[in-house]
Amino acid sequence: AQTVTQSQPEMSVQEAETVTLSCTYDTSENNYYLFWYKQPPSRQMILVIRQEAYKQQNATENRFSVNFQKAAKSFSLKISDSQLGDTAMYFCAFLYPQGGSEKLVFGKGTKLTVNP
Amino acid sequence: EPEVTQTPSHQVTQMGQEVILRCVPISNHLYFYWYRQILGQKVEFLVSFYNNEISEKSEIFDDQFSVERPDGSNFTLKIRSTKLEDSAMYFCASSESRFGTQYFGPGTRLLVL
Repeated sequence: AQTVTQSQPEMSVQEAETVTLSCTYDTSENNYYLFWYKQPPSRQMILVIRQEAYKQQNATENRFSVNFQKAAKSFSLKISDSQLGDTAMYFCAFLYPQGGSEKLVFGKGTKLTVNP
Repeated sequence: EPEVTQTPSHQVTQMGQEVILRCVPISNHLYFYWYRQILGQKVEFLVSFYNNEISEKSEIFDDQFSVERPDGSNFTLKIRSTKLEDSAMYFCASSESRFGTQYFGPGTRLLVL
């Protein structure tokens, strides 16, 4: 079974600085998708970024980028120029299409606080 | 931008009562999902639904749970006889394709007393 590990339960960063959230996963498969979702205090789950495992290029979305290390099974999220609105829980998630499963497998999350 | 909507945002119910949680997926999406998140814990998959059938369900999704697409827009989760441990945030999600990106609704916070 696929597992997702987020080793940092909580992190904090000063506004305008850069922070990196870690995620590792365990799979023996070759083709899969990885996601970062953001959950602000409102508790809505918001997609931040998606990465296909077959793509070597790291995905980016504005201030958000990933460092995808397939061999190391690592998928970290970098937030540049942190803003107060980035304060949220961040969940890493895994989807394994070739196994026939449509379910997202989530990590336990990292609580990020951006300080003014 | 199209979004998934859910109603109600909060629901309080007595143990043993039936509840129905409602979702309106994004209009051109064909794949629908329910997840739940017990407070302080990770998000867990409950069920996926396509073409009016359950395509996958987790161990959590026992006989007390059912899903339905009663019309062309709504997707519902019914819990027949709620238990205290059903208290959680329930998220609906939808995607355009089978393994496409899943977009989540704002959730329904269910409290069973």
